[in-house]
Amino acid sequence: GAVVSQHPSWVICKSGTSVKIECRSLDFQATTMFWYRQFPKQSLMLMATSNEGSKATYEQGVEKDKFLINHASLTLSTLTVTSAHPEDSSFYICSARDNLSGNTEAFFGQGTRLTVV
Amino acid sequence: AQSVTQLGSHVSVSEGALVLLRCNYSSSVPPYLFWYVQYPNQGLQLLLKYTTGATLVKGINGFEAEFKKSETSFHLTKPSAHMSDAAEYFCAVSNGGGSNYKLTFGKGTLLTVNP
Repeated sequence: GAVVSQHPSWVICKSGTSVKIECRSLDFQATTMFWYRQFPKQSLMLMATSNEGSKATYEQGVEKDKFLINHASLTLSTLTVTSAHPEDSSFYICSARDNLSGNTEAFFGQGTRLTVV
Repeated sequence: AQSVTQLGSHVSVSEGALVLLRCNYSSSVPPYLFWYVQYPNQGLQLLLKYTTGATLVKGINGFEAEFKKSETSFHLTKPSAHMSDAAEYFCAVSNGGGSNYKLTFGKGTLLTVNP
């Protein structure tokens, strides 16, 4: 199956700094990628839909100025957590579908564990 | 609008026993249904999916699920549990299969397998 790669897999940062997480589709093109947040022992909550070449669509309650999303190419979307605080500590996961094959399956990255100290 | 309810946040079975993880969905259009597995600190891996056609769907690792429209259910089963099946399982629904259709996840069911 198609591969989605996230980097880094884990990161520790100081409160007030910004952290960038990358999501790449390695062997397919994705005009749309999705960013999720997962708290311990909870489900995945969709944060935003990343659209190549246009603005991301954020879910209700998600601060777009805090969670900056850039989808500059068909294989790369980035999520930047700005001015991170301890409450932003979480597991962030991206996913993408292969829009050319029409495959209904969403492929997920391996996730990024963010810890803000 | 769509939603997923997974009954039982934690299911414990003995090795070799039947695994049954329950999922009920709500969707205003014919749903696409998925089961994913997540191991600790990892992303999600697709076990199986239902889009159209045969309602009994077979997936990887011996898992299968049956789409029952009348019951709005998509329960996941495996005849004989293995220790390696211990993980978190998520049921998800999508209201379409295009690249921009969103997945809505259930809260997950943690499966533990006892020796």
